[in-house]
Amino acid sequence: GAVVSQHPSWVICKSGTSVKIECRSLDFQATTMFWYRQFPKQSLMLMATSNEGSKATYEQGVEKDKFLINHASLTLSTLTVTSAHPEDSSFYICSASEGPHNEQFFGPGTRLTVL
Amino acid sequence: DQQVKQNSPSLSVQEGRISILNCDYTNSMFDYFLWYKKYPAEGPTFLISISSIKDKNEDGRFTVFLNKSAKHLSLHIVPSQPGDSAVYFCAASQGGSEKLVFGKGTKLTVNP
Repeated sequence: GAVVSQHPSWVICKSGTSVKIECRSLDFQATTMFWYRQFPKQSLMLMATSNEGSKATYEQGVEKDKFLINHASLTLSTLTVTSAHPEDSSFYICSASEGPHNEQFFGPGTRLTVL
Repeated sequence: DQQVKQNSPSLSVQEGRISILNCDYTNSMFDYFLWYKKYPAEGPTFLISISSIKDKNEDGRFTVFLNKSAKHLSLHIVPSQPGDSAVYFCAASQGGSEKLVFGKGTKLTVNP
């Protein structure tokens, strides 16, 4: 099956700093990438959908200025958590698909801890 | 407001027996349902899906049943194997949308 990687797999940072998470599709071109967040014992919640070369579409309640998403190529999307705070500590996971209504392939996730 | 609910956080079954994982939803507009399996340190992987025009879909040891009137679906695994031990997520979408709404997951443990 298709492979999606994320880097880093975990990160610890100080409050107020920014953290960038990368999501790569390794063996296919992902025209659409999705970013999810999962708090402990909660479900994966969609944060935003990004299409290559265009601005991301954010879900209601997700601050676009805080969670910057860039999908500059067909194999790479990045999520930058700006001015991170402890409440941003969560598990961030991306998925990628080759196009609308295609199967989503998930990355392994990134554990963010903000001190 | 949890639109997709998996009320059992965990389930333990013996190898060879049937595993039944349940999922309820509240949004009657959902018309496509998926099950994902997740191992530790890995992303969810697609397992099986069902469209609302069907009430059953089968793939090998995995069968998904959909009861639209009850807004309930279930995943049956038979016979269960130790390698099936994982967290299973139920997800739903509507109107051909790419957006998936997930449940909280059920951790299945299959004991040898």
